[in-house]
Amino acid sequence: DAKTTQPPSMDCAEGRAANLPCNHSTISGNEYVYWYRQIHSQGPQYIIHGLKNNETNEMASLIITEDRKSSTLILPHATLRDTAVYYCIVSWKNQAGTALIFGKGTTLSVSS
Amino acid sequence: DAGVTQSPTHLIKTRGQQVTLRCSPKSGHDTVSWYQQALGQGPQFIFQYYEEEERQRGNFPDRFSGHQFPNYSSELNVNALLLGDSALYLCASSLARTEAFFGQGTRLTVV
Repeated sequence: DAKTTQPPSMDCAEGRAANLPCNHSTISGNEYVYWYRQIHSQGPQYIIHGLKNNETNEMASLIITEDRKSSTLILPHATLRDTAVYYCIVSWKNQAGTALIFGKGTTLSVSS
Repeated sequence: DAGVTQSPTHLIKTRGQQVTLRCSPKSGHDTVSWYQQALGQGPQFIFQYYEEEERQRGNFPDRFSGHQFPNYSSELNVNALLLGDSALYLCASSLARTEAFFGQGTRLTVV
């Protein structure tokens, strides 16, 4: 089962920041927080991941609380193309790679 | 650089038949994972292949099997198809300890 809890849906106005929360209270010390998104009928797209420090890349920022029990994905200037289902996933990196256990995600709707 | 490619994109099969789906990983990736995504649900992990062996497996029956070839490409086989096997089948590739990249999937319809 997924180890994360996300709100089922969120709305955001175009150009504003979208802040997507995720709770992962049972996360263990060697587990990472990953974020993926899935635009309708396409394969999931990797966004960002982190262990304990905040991370930023060209797509988004990831803020992880100090106790690591929750995190927030921030899309700084949402556009209509950011409308998608966003998945927060907790997983550990094994030697072969990372098996991802998806939950139901948050459907983000960006409107003009 | 081609990403993860899957074939075919769409497939229709009859109950009881067998199906084989194919995946070519992103260049340089050596690990392939397969996922099943039913309509309206998140992807579910089926299994993962590394060094031509199944390394992890999700909660799927033995009807689901796979293979990884020396060039790292992979196949997913499903025997004795059921109506409930209708789904989008996703392949993801990665290099050890890196993030996974997904293909666009194969839409399987069982009638």
